[in-house]
Amino acid sequence: ETGVTQSPTHLIKTRGQQVTLRCSSQSGHNTVSWYQQALGQGPQFIFQYYREEENGRGNFPPRFSGLQFPNYSSELNVNALELDDSALYLCASSGEVNTQYFGPGTRLTVL
Amino acid sequence: AQSVTQPDIHITVSEGASLELRCNYSYGATPYLFWYVQSPGQGLQLLLKYFSGDTLVQGIKGFEAEFKRSQSSFNLRKPSVHWSDAAEYFCAVGTITSGTYKYIFGTGTRLKVLA
Repeated sequence: ETGVTQSPTHLIKTRGQQVTLRCSSQSGHNTVSWYQQALGQGPQFIFQYYREEENGRGNFPPRFSGLQFPNYSSELNVNALELDDSALYLCASSGEVNTQYFGPGTRLTVL
Repeated sequence: AQSVTQPDIHITVSEGASLELRCNYSYGATPYLFWYVQSPGQGLQLLLKYFSGDTLVQGIKGFEAEFKRSQSSFNLRKPSVHWSDAAEYFCAVGTITSGTYKYIFGTGTRLKVLA
Protein backbone atom coordinates (compact mmCIF):
# COMPACT_ATOMS: atom_id res chain seq x y z
CA GLU A 1 0.00 0.00 0.00
CA THR A 2 1.44 3.36 -1.04
CA GLY A 3 1.27 6.21 1.46
CA VAL A 4 0.59 9.86 0.77
CA THR A 5 3.18 11.47 -1.47
CA GLN A 6 3.79 15.13 -2.23
CA SER A 7 5.84 17.00 -4.80
CA PRO A 8 8.02 18.91 -4.96
CA THR A 9 9.88 18.55 -1.68
CA HIS A 10 11.16 22.11 -1.66
CA LEU A 11 10.28 25.17 -3.70
CA ILE A 12 11.58 28.72 -3.82
CA LYS A 13 9.46 31.48 -5.36
CA THR A 14 9.39 35.26 -5.34
CA ARG A 15 6.59 37.54 -4.25
CA GLY A 16 3.77 37.82 -6.76
CA GLN A 17 4.47 34.50 -8.44
CA GLN A 18 2.12 31.53 -8.58
CA VAL A 19 2.82 28.02 -7.32
CA THR A 20 1.25 24.57 -7.70
CA LEU A 21 1.81 21.81 -5.16
CA ARG A 22 0.81 18.21 -5.79
CA CYS A 23 -0.42 15.37 -3.64
CA SER A 24 -1.16 11.73 -4.32
CA SER A 25 -3.52 10.25 -1.80
CA GLN A 26 -3.16 6.88 -0.16
CA SER A 27 -4.68 4.03 -2.11
CA GLY A 28 -8.43 3.80 -1.54
CA HIS A 29 -8.73 7.27 0.03
CA ASN A 30 -11.22 9.65 -1.61
CA THR A 31 -10.78 12.70 0.63
CA VAL A 32 -7.81 15.05 0.59
CA SER A 33 -7.20 17.90 3.03
CA TRP A 34 -4.52 20.57 2.81
CA TYR A 35 -2.87 22.27 5.78
CA GLN A 36 -0.37 25.10 6.11
CA GLN A 37 2.24 24.84 8.85
CA ALA A 38 4.14 28.04 9.50
CA LEU A 39 7.45 27.81 11.34
CA GLY A 40 6.93 27.00 15.01
CA GLN A 41 3.17 26.54 14.62
CA GLY A 42 0.72 23.71 14.34
CA PRO A 43 -0.86 22.97 10.97
CA GLN A 44 -3.81 25.16 9.92
CA PHE A 45 -6.63 23.79 7.75
CA ILE A 46 -6.78 25.31 4.25
CA PHE A 47 -9.47 23.25 2.51
CA GLN A 48 -10.69 19.76 1.78
CA TYR A 49 -11.71 17.91 -1.38
CA TYR A 50 -14.08 14.97 -1.52
CA ARG A 51 -14.78 13.24 -4.81
CA GLU A 52 -13.47 16.19 -6.83
CA GLU A 53 -15.55 18.83 -5.02
CA GLU A 54 -14.39 21.34 -2.41
CA ASN A 55 -15.87 20.20 0.86
CA GLY A 56 -15.00 22.95 3.29
CA ARG A 57 -12.51 25.74 3.64
CA GLY A 58 -10.56 27.33 6.43
CA ASN A 59 -9.71 30.98 6.93
CA PHE A 60 -7.59 31.41 3.80
CA PRO A 61 -8.09 33.93 0.99
CA PRO A 62 -9.38 32.94 -2.47
CA ARG A 63 -5.89 33.08 -3.95
CA PHE A 64 -5.52 29.67 -2.32
CA SER A 65 -7.35 27.24 -4.59
CA GLY A 66 -7.32 23.57 -5.32
CA LEU A 67 -8.36 20.69 -7.48
CA GLN A 68 -8.99 17.02 -7.02
CA PHE A 69 -8.74 14.60 -9.92
CA PRO A 70 -10.70 11.40 -10.66
CA ASN A 71 -7.87 9.33 -9.21
CA TYR A 72 -8.24 11.41 -6.01
CA SER A 73 -4.87 13.10 -6.34
CA SER A 74 -4.96 16.81 -5.64
CA GLU A 75 -3.31 20.15 -6.33
CA LEU A 76 -2.97 23.24 -4.21
CA ASN A 77 -2.51 26.48 -6.14
CA VAL A 78 -1.46 29.75 -4.59
CA ASN A 79 -1.56 32.95 -6.64
CA ALA A 80 0.12 36.28 -5.94
CA LEU A 81 2.51 34.81 -3.42
CA GLU A 82 3.27 36.79 -0.28
CA LEU A 83 6.20 36.47 2.10
CA ASP A 84 3.85 35.07 4.78
CA ASP A 85 2.98 32.16 2.50
CA SER A 86 6.38 30.66 3.34
CA ALA A 87 5.52 27.47 5.19
CA LEU A 88 5.37 23.69 5.07
CA TYR A 89 2.29 22.59 3.13
CA LEU A 90 0.89 19.27 4.22
CA CYS A 91 -1.53 17.08 2.36
CA ALA A 92 -3.58 14.49 4.23
CA SER A 93 -5.77 11.78 2.82
CA SER A 94 -8.53 9.84 4.51
CA GLY A 95 -10.72 6.91 3.67
CA GLU A 96 -11.84 6.00 7.14
CA VAL A 97 -13.71 9.21 7.76
CA ASN A 98 -12.17 10.30 11.03
CA THR A 99 -8.44 9.64 10.55
CA GLN A 100 -6.13 11.60 8.27
CA TYR A 101 -2.78 10.35 7.02
CA PHE A 102 -0.21 12.95 6.15
CA GLY A 103 2.37 13.22 3.43
CA PRO A 104 5.93 14.49 3.97
CA GLY A 105 5.02 18.02 2.98
CA THR A 106 6.31 20.64 0.55
CA ARG A 107 8.51 23.38 1.99
CA LEU A 108 7.69 26.66 0.19
CA THR A 109 9.97 29.65 0.58
CA VAL A 110 8.82 33.01 -0.77
CA LEU A 111 11.54 35.63 -1.26
CA ALA B 1 -14.59 28.14 20.26
CA GLN B 2 -12.87 24.94 19.30
CA SER B 3 -9.23 24.83 20.32
CA VAL B 4 -6.34 22.66 21.42
CA THR B 5 -3.78 23.79 23.98
CA GLN B 6 -0.38 22.24 24.50
CA PRO B 7 0.98 24.16 27.49
CA ASP B 8 4.58 23.03 27.16
CA ILE B 9 6.47 24.44 24.18
CA HIS B 10 9.69 22.60 25.04
CA ILE B 11 10.36 19.59 27.25
CA THR B 12 13.75 18.04 28.00
CA VAL B 13 14.08 14.59 29.52
CA SER B 14 16.95 12.17 30.02
CA GLU B 15 17.02 8.96 28.05
CA GLY B 16 15.25 6.24 30.02
CA ALA B 17 13.12 8.69 31.98
CA SER B 18 9.35 8.76 31.77
CA LEU B 19 7.51 11.32 29.69
CA GLU B 20 4.16 13.05 29.81
CA LEU B 21 3.05 15.62 27.24
CA ARG B 22 -0.04 17.62 28.07
CA CYS B 23 -2.98 18.39 25.82
CA ASN B 24 -6.22 20.16 26.63
CA TYR B 25 -9.04 20.65 24.17
CA SER B 26 -12.18 22.70 23.85
CA TYR B 27 -14.94 21.14 21.78
CA GLY B 28 -18.65 20.96 22.42
CA ALA B 29 -19.32 17.47 21.15
CA THR B 30 -17.68 14.09 21.71
CA PRO B 31 -14.10 14.62 20.55
CA TYR B 32 -12.02 12.54 18.22
CA LEU B 33 -8.50 12.97 19.58
CA PHE B 34 -5.12 12.32 18.03
CA TRP B 35 -1.41 12.54 18.71
CA TYR B 36 1.02 12.97 15.83
CA VAL B 37 4.81 13.14 15.82
CA GLN B 38 6.89 15.21 13.43
CA SER B 39 10.63 14.76 12.94
CA PRO B 40 12.56 17.77 11.60
CA GLY B 41 11.54 18.63 8.06
CA GLN B 42 9.10 15.73 7.90
CA GLY B 43 5.35 15.23 7.76
CA LEU B 44 3.14 14.02 10.58
CA GLN B 45 3.06 10.41 11.71
CA LEU B 46 0.03 9.15 13.60
CA LEU B 47 0.95 7.84 17.06
CA LEU B 48 -2.51 7.03 18.39
CA LYS B 49 -6.14 8.05 18.36
CA TYR B 50 -9.19 8.02 20.60
CA PHE B 51 -12.75 7.86 19.36
CA SER B 52 -14.67 6.11 22.13
CA GLY B 53 -14.50 3.23 24.58
CA ASP B 54 -11.51 2.52 26.78
CA THR B 55 -10.06 5.86 27.83
CA LEU B 56 -6.49 4.54 27.85
CA VAL B 57 -5.28 4.00 24.30
CA GLN B 58 -2.09 2.38 23.13
CA GLY B 59 -0.15 3.59 20.16
CA ILE B 60 3.00 2.90 18.23
CA LYS B 61 6.54 3.23 19.57
CA GLY B 62 5.44 2.43 23.12
CA PHE B 63 3.28 5.54 23.55
CA GLU B 64 -0.07 5.66 25.30
CA ALA B 65 -2.59 8.39 26.02
CA GLU B 66 -5.42 8.79 28.48
CA PHE B 67 -8.66 10.60 27.74
CA LYS B 68 -10.15 12.43 30.73
CA ARG B 69 -13.46 14.02 29.85
CA SER B 70 -13.79 15.84 33.18
CA GLN B 71 -10.48 17.60 32.57
CA SER B 72 -10.85 17.95 28.77
CA SER B 73 -7.41 16.40 28.51
CA PHE B 74 -5.67 13.81 26.38
CA ASN B 75 -2.13 13.51 27.72
CA LEU B 76 0.53 11.44 25.99
CA ARG B 77 2.83 9.24 28.03
CA LYS B 78 5.80 6.94 27.59
CA PRO B 79 7.39 5.03 30.46
CA SER B 80 10.96 5.12 29.13
CA VAL B 81 12.10 7.60 26.50
CA HIS B 82 14.62 6.70 23.80
CA TRP B 83 16.94 9.17 22.08
CA SER B 84 15.05 8.56 18.83
CA ASP B 85 11.89 10.02 20.40
CA ALA B 86 13.32 13.52 20.07
CA ALA B 87 10.84 15.30 17.78
CA GLU B 88 7.86 17.61 17.85
CA TYR B 89 4.55 16.27 19.08
CA PHE B 90 1.16 17.58 18.07
CA CYS B 91 -2.20 16.96 19.67
CA ALA B 92 -5.24 17.37 17.45
CA VAL B 93 -9.01 17.23 17.77
CA GLY B 94 -11.20 16.18 14.85
CA THR B 95 -14.09 18.60 14.46
CA ILE B 96 -17.12 18.92 12.23
CA THR B 97 -18.06 22.41 11.06
CA SER B 98 -20.73 22.96 8.40
CA GLY B 99 -20.42 19.36 7.34
CA THR B 100 -16.63 19.42 6.97
CA TYR B 101 -14.49 17.18 9.13
CA LYS B 102 -11.10 18.77 9.86
CA TYR B 103 -8.39 18.77 12.47
CA ILE B 104 -7.56 21.55 14.87
CA PHE B 105 -4.00 21.24 16.08
CA GLY B 106 -2.17 22.50 19.11
CA THR B 107 1.02 24.49 18.66
CA GLY B 108 3.16 21.47 19.45
CA THR B 109 5.65 20.39 22.10
CA ARG B 110 9.28 19.97 21.13
CA LEU B 111 10.93 17.09 22.96
CA LYS B 112 14.65 17.01 23.56
CA VAL B 113 16.25 13.83 24.90
CA LEU B 114 19.52 13.96 26.82
CA ALA B 115 21.91 11.03 26.54
